[in-house]
Amino acid sequence: NAGVTQTPKFQVLKTGQSMTLQCAQDMNHEYMSWYRQDPGMGLRLIHYSVGAGITDQGEVPNGYNVSRSTTEDFPLRLLSAAPSQTSVYFCASSRDRGHEQYFGPGTRLTVT
Amino acid sequence: AQSVTQPDIHITVSEGASLELRCNYSYGATPYLFWYVQSPGQGLQLLLKYFSGDTLVQGIKGFEAEFKRSQSSFNLRKPSVHWSDAAEYFCAVGAGGNKLVFGAGTILRVKS
Repeated sequence: NAGVTQTPKFQVLKTGQSMTLQCAQDMNHEYMSWYRQDPGMGLRLIHYSVGAGITDQGEVPNGYNVSRSTTEDFPLRLLSAAPSQTSVYFCASSRDRGHEQYFGPGTRLTVT
Repeated sequence: AQSVTQPDIHITVSEGASLELRCNYSYGATPYLFWYVQSPGQGLQLLLKYFSGDTLVQGIKGFEAEFKRSQSSFNLRKPSVHWSDAAEYFCAVGAGGNKLVFGAGTILRVKS
């Protein structure tokens, strides 16, 4: 199993540009989440999904969109990038409610 | 609202010395608790978890943690630290569904 994969590993955007961060898992997990990590703040939940077709907002959802058309994939879209979105983004999946989450390697995004 | 506090931003210990990283949580119900470790430039790896039962849980790499409900704490311990343990450590509480609330992290430095 590849586990949780994320692409790209690094990305630089200009303010106002849009892009999609890709996340895929091959463990047939129902639950998937997106977090952002900023220094001194730990990880904060952006959006999450409890199954295909079902998504919900986390703690910091503004400026981001998600969809879940398949069990395997959970892309995160930045609609109009802002410097405040400079961060490291992690995707995670878990088998079901309450079980540990498996994290991808992260995407380091810089918005200039 | 759920929250996690890691009071120590940085900790430095000598190789071979014992280690305790502190974690306090706020959560209304019986919590799911986790410790993750992150090496520089890497994703997060689960060290151990508490769901129920025995309040002393064993994890990987010789780590253990003790859940103390009366103190709302879940401190991480290791009897003898190795240089390879230098990393950032995150405590997290399961906040319902598959959401995790993370502490801000503790950076561990190991001196030889």
